[in-house]
Amino acid sequence: GESVGLHLPTLSVQEGDNSIINCAYSNSASDYFIWYKQESGKGPQFIIDIRSNMDKRQGQRVTVLLNKTVKHLSLQIAATQPGDSAVYFCAEMGSGGSYIPTFGRGTSLIVHP
Amino acid sequence: GAGVSQSPRYKVAKRGQDVALRCDPISGHVSLFWYQQALGQGPEFLTYFQNEAQLDKSGLPSDRFFAERPEGSVSTLKIQRTQQEDSAVYLCASSREATRGEQYFGPGTRLTVT
Repeated sequence: GESVGLHLPTLSVQEGDNSIINCAYSNSASDYFIWYKQESGKGPQFIIDIRSNMDKRQGQRVTVLLNKTVKHLSLQIAATQPGDSAVYFCAEMGSGGSYIPTFGRGTSLIVHP
Repeated sequence: GAGVSQSPRYKVAKRGQDVALRCDPISGHVSLFWYQQALGQGPEFLTYFQNEAQLDKSGLPSDRFFAERPEGSVSTLKIQRTQQEDSAVYLCASSREATRGEQYFGPGTRLTVT
């Protein structure tokens, strides 16, 4: 069936480096994507979203890139900080205004001071 | 302001027991979602409410799972005759809008069935 998955389960970076977390999706009908951050013992926290009519969207220290040709999504975090250490999930919603996100497995980001 | 709260935070149940998990959404939020999150996995959708109406329960894994939101605010997820495979973190989320609004998640209830 359709799925959302991540290329790397764990990413280790040094404080101050830029981080890139990748996500592949297989449902070509998806038209809305969200990145969530989940810290240990907490629920997921919305980071940034992007609609399929966009290729790039920027937030505070974060940028999401969407490549619909290869069905790939990435989250870039600039100047990564120890507080960015968490599990990051991408999620997609299907076309037609679906409000139910399908989450991928997650990538654990570890930031070393 | 207050976020989404869930109680209890941890629940240990013996197989066969019934459990009730509570979610207090952000005041005024129309939409409420329940998710199940297994260890190392992303959340999986269980059910969705718009105010007091349960509009989608397609993710409930069996008829042992039941959710309600009788007054359009607090919601309860009930699991009857718990089984070991029910062990997971149960997350609740609410959103201001009725469709694709940003979802605010609670901390979850970790259920362990022994």
